[in-house]
Amino acid sequence: DGGITQSPKYLFRKEGQNVTLSCEQNLNHDAMYWYRQDPGQGLRLIYYSQIVNDFQKGDIAEGYSVSREKKESFPLTVTSAQKNPTAFYLCASSIDLGPRQPQHFGDGTRLSIL
Amino acid sequence: DQQVKQNSPSLSVQEGRISILNCDYTNSMFDYFLWYKKYPAEGPTFLISISSIKDKNEDGRFTVFLNKSAKHLSLHIVPSQPGDSAVYFCAASGGGMRFGAGTRLTVKP
Repeated sequence: DGGITQSPKYLFRKEGQNVTLSCEQNLNHDAMYWYRQDPGQGLRLIYYSQIVNDFQKGDIAEGYSVSREKKESFPLTVTSAQKNPTAFYLCASSIDLGPRQPQHFGDGTRLSIL
Repeated sequence: DQQVKQNSPSLSVQEGRISILNCDYTNSMFDYFLWYKKYPAEGPTFLISISSIKDKNEDGRFTVFLNKSAKHLSLHIVPSQPGDSAVYFCAASGGGMRFGAGTRLTVKP
C-alpha cells in the first residue's frame, strides 16, 4: 500500500534544540516537499526537492534544513534559528515538479515548544 | 502575501443540499487549480483539478468552476453527504503552488 509516512505525529522541542521530522514515501516519486501550516493560513512551502541530492528553498526556508540522500526520504530539521517553530508540518510528494501533478501528503507532524 | 484566498473559514449545509466552496486568487500566472480534502488527523488528499483553458470540470458529485476574469474558482458538491465533512483547500499552480487557508465544511444529517 503506497503512501507517505511522517513521524513522529507529535514532537516537543526545548529552546535552543534542533529537531528532525521524518518523511518517507514508497510511491517512487521524484519530487518531495515540506510545508508548514499555521492557524488561519494556507500551507507555506519550506523546501522542495526534485531529485536525490538536490533541494531548493521555498518561501520560508530560514531556520530549516533538509537532505535528500535517498529517493524515499526527505527529513526536515527545525534548527534553533527558527524562532517560531510551533506549527503543523506536512510532507508531500509528486511524480515530478510538473505544475499539474497532484501532491500526495503525509498525515503531518505537530511541533510544539516546551 | 496570500495569493490564494478562501474567505470563508467554515460552511454548514444540510445533507442532500448543494455545498459551494469559494476561492479567489491574485496571480495571473496561475494556470492550473486543484482542490484538496482533509479529514482530521490525516493529510490532504487530491480531489479535483481544472486547467485555465477550461471553465468547468466535473467528477461525479464534484464540479469545479473557474472564472478567469474574476480570478475566482468554486467547488460545488451535489448532493452533499455527511462523509463530505472535512476541510477543503484550494491550490493554484504556475511558477510554484500556493494554497488557501481552507474552508471547514460540515454536512448535517
